Amino acid sequence: EDQVTQSPEALRLQEGESSSLNCSYTVSGLRGLFWYRQDPGKGPEFLFTLYSAGEEKEKERLKATLTKKESFLHITAPKPEDSATYLCAVQARDNYGQNFVFGPGTRLSVLP
Amino acid sequence: EAQVTQNPRYLITVTGKKLTVTCSQNMNHEYMSWYRQDPGLGLRQIYYSMNVEVTDKGDVPEGYKVSRKEKRNFPLILESPSPNQTSLYFCASDPTGEGGTEAFFGQGTRLTVV
Repeated sequence: EDQVTQSPEALRLQEGESSSLNCSYTVSGLRGLFWYRQDPGKGPEFLFTLYSAGEEKEKERLKATLTKKESFLHITAPKPEDSATYLCAVQARDNYGQNFVFGPGTRLSVLP
Repeated sequence: EAQVTQNPRYLITVTGKKLTVTCSQNMNHEYMSWYRQDPGLGLRQIYYSMNVEVTDKGDVPEGYKVSRKEKRNFPLILESPSPNQTSLYFCASDPTGEGGTEAFFGQGTRLTVV
């Protein structure tokens, strides 16, 4: 069974204090690993897709990396507006149609 | 503007009273799906549709129905809601459902069944 876990469950950072969020996954053949951001009361918003181990993608203060068992979302010098829940999801090659399996998310708070 | 629109945003209902949550997308996407989000459990897929008249069960389909008569619309039907269906619901679409592409999510419907 495909599974995704995320740690920590919640993280509080001071503005400018860099850190990383972890996403561990087990999947029967990875088609893609996705990171989404979710603000309170809103739907998830796409950030990155990673397809193979060793791949990295960046967007502003965020950088996502992928290994065969984990993905990390590195946040460099975060700002209060980066506060949100960050969701990790995987797509399996053989799970045609059923699309994403999501992790429970990491709730990030960045204090000014 | 490309978007997925759900209605209503908030709904309080009583046990057993049939309800429908509507979902519409304006991106001509083939694939649409419904998720529920519960604390500590993450997003779980309820039903999905690969195209018009093609629907299939996700991970938690019990107590729900869907239909896909038009490409843009994918309503979620609760024939006899129960309190354990109290949750935050999201509709999503993506271009093909074949994988590797991002999904676009609606703003969510917070349902309370009393």
